[in-house]
Amino acid sequence: NAGVTQTPKFQVLKTGQSMTLQCAQDMNHEYMSWYRQDPGMGLRLIHYSVGAGITDQGEVPNGYNVSRSTTEDFPLRLLSAAPSQTSVYFCASSYDRQEYNEQFFGPGTRLTVL
Amino acid sequence: AQKITQTQPGMFVQEKEAVTLDCTYDTSDPSYGLFWYKQPSSGEMIFLIYQGSYDQQNATEGRYSLNFQKARKSANLVISASQLGDSAMYFCAMREEPGGSYIPTFGRGTSLIVHP
Repeated sequence: NAGVTQTPKFQVLKTGQSMTLQCAQDMNHEYMSWYRQDPGMGLRLIHYSVGAGITDQGEVPNGYNVSRSTTEDFPLRLLSAAPSQTSVYFCASSYDRQEYNEQFFGPGTRLTVL
Repeated sequence: AQKITQTQPGMFVQEKEAVTLDCTYDTSDPSYGLFWYKQPSSGEMIFLIYQGSYDQQNATEGRYSLNFQKARKSANLVISASQLGDSAMYFCAMREEPGGSYIPTFGRGTSLIVHP
């Protein structure tokens, strides 16, 4: 199993550009999440999905869109990039909602917005 | 209010010594899970240890143990016999019961540096 994969690993954007961060998992996990990590802030939840066709907002959703058309894929779209979106983005998945199920993380995408 | 609080931004320990990383949490749910993750400088998130709210004994995984004090709502990570490779960021996280906020919430992390 590849686990959770994310592409690209690094990306530089100009203010106002749009892009999609890709996330895929091959573990048949129901739950998928996107976090952003900023220095001193830990991981903050952007959006999450509890199954194909079902998404919801997390703590910091503004400026981001998601969709979940398949169990495997959960892309994160930046509609109009801003310097405040410079961050490291992690995708994570877990089997279901049980509190004992750990999350599996992708390797992260380091995004810089100029 | 933060659900997970890690009060130590940075910690230093001598190689081969033990170190405790603090984590306190806030929940009113009776059923929850507590996790610790390690993030080395390479950036990946590595799952270390899990403690369930109903577990009677503290969790252990090799050199890692979780000092779970339910009444105090604390879930401190203890690393015994520190190694240079333990230098990393450590994050505490909580996942509440299925009827509650079941997406894990993370603390701000503690940076651990192990000195030779």
